[in-house]
Amino acid sequence: AQSVTQLDSQVPVFEEAPVELRCNYSSSVSVYLFWYVQYPNQGLQLLLKYLSGSTLVKGINGFEAEFNKSQTSFHLRKPSVHISDTAEYFCAVSDSGNTPLVFGKGTRLSVIA
Amino acid sequence: EPEVTQTPSHQVTQMGQEVILRCVPISNHLYFYWYRQILGQKVEFLVSFYNNEISEKSEIFDDQFSVERPDGSNFTLKIRSTKLEDSAMYFCASKRGGPYGYTFGSGTRLTVV
Repeated sequence: AQSVTQLDSQVPVFEEAPVELRCNYSSSVSVYLFWYVQYPNQGLQLLLKYLSGSTLVKGINGFEAEFNKSQTSFHLRKPSVHISDTAEYFCAVSDSGNTPLVFGKGTRLSVIA
Repeated sequence: EPEVTQTPSHQVTQMGQEVILRCVPISNHLYFYWYRQILGQKVEFLVSFYNNEISEKSEIFDDQFSVERPDGSNFTLKIRSTKLEDSAMYFCASKRGGPYGYTFGSGTRLTVV
């Protein structure tokens, strides 16, 4: 079964600084990878997804992620964060098109003014 | 943009009572899922549903839980006799078949007292 590791439970960063949130998954022949964001007391919003094709995926709010098959990673990056990016970020993976998503434990991004 | 709708947004119930959480998936989606998130923890898969039957379930989804799609639009999660540890945010998700993303609802916060 798939598993997802988000190495950092909390990441504090100053406003306008770059950030990288790390995600590694257990190996599989093919995977679909997702990043979701959860603002306080809200639901899960899709940031971006990798299904196939280009390994660099661009999402909403200026975020991007790179799929690295050899390192089984899908790290999320943003070159300049805003206060409004403060939220919980979840990496998720599925083995194929319709199997249930497996989530990581989440990374709490705190942007400091 | 189409949304997954969940009602109610917040439900408080007494231990031992039955609760039904409701979801209206996106109309042309074929696969349906329930997840839960205990406060401060990761998002956990409960059950997936396709072609009017359960396709996969986790260890959490025991005999106290059931799902139904009674009328072709609603997708419900029933907990027969709630326990304190059932207190969590419950998310419904749906997707089209194949390599497409999963769309989540905004969740129902269940509080068992």
